[in-house]
Amino acid sequence: GAGVSQSPSNKVTEKGKDVELRCDPISGHTALYWYRQRLGQGLEFLIYFQGNSAPDKSGLPSDRFSAERTGESVSTLTIQRTQQEDSAVYLCASSLSHRGPYGYTFGSGTRLTVV
Amino acid sequence: AQTVTQSQPEMSVQEAETVTLSCTYDTSENNYYLFWYKQPPSRQMILVIRQEAYKQQNATENRFSVNFQKAAKSFSLKISDSQLGDTAMYFCAFMAPDSSYKLIFGSGTRLLVRP
Repeated sequence: GAGVSQSPSNKVTEKGKDVELRCDPISGHTALYWYRQRLGQGLEFLIYFQGNSAPDKSGLPSDRFSAERTGESVSTLTIQRTQQEDSAVYLCASSLSHRGPYGYTFGSGTRLTVV
Repeated sequence: AQTVTQSQPEMSVQEAETVTLSCTYDTSENNYYLFWYKQPPSRQMILVIRQEAYKQQNATENRFSVNFQKAAKSFSLKISDSQLGDTAMYFCAFMAPDSSYKLIFGSGTRLLVRP
């Protein structure tokens, strides 16, 4: 597609429920990132996928968070047993790997509210 | 660990005037990249300008320019001839040239351009 697409745009869930957030990267972009943005704060790195290599999961805050990506396609970020502190905007970005710092394109994010 | 600090939570400027947003960072790396991103209410992060640390010349993009002081670890953004459309959150970000190319963000500065 023309840009990075994220769905849903907004999600309200009850505490304790599981949620899945989806990211469709730009076609051909081998690198994909998930970031979390809490209210009034900057973005925090969560996870990085590059092709079929093992993902960099160093930013995941707890074992309730997981993400998957098959090849160079769609990625899903799953949060199990959601807590109120999980409320945030979750942003996805994709990039052509060989362009490194020059190729980031962000989506518009999913605003997650845990009530 | 690398950190990025933006000490101005909010700034205000009159339309057509010039404003400077501050950013400092901490790293032991010698080679890295610095960025300014704009985030309007649509939530999508838009790249404003980037600087490679090995380049001494300050980057310029139309009305946007940076003052990069490597020894002082300072990277400020100057917006000239401010326009109403410049109203947004601005984030300073650091990237080390490791295999993941992940970004480390500051907490942001909210800029309001007054008519």
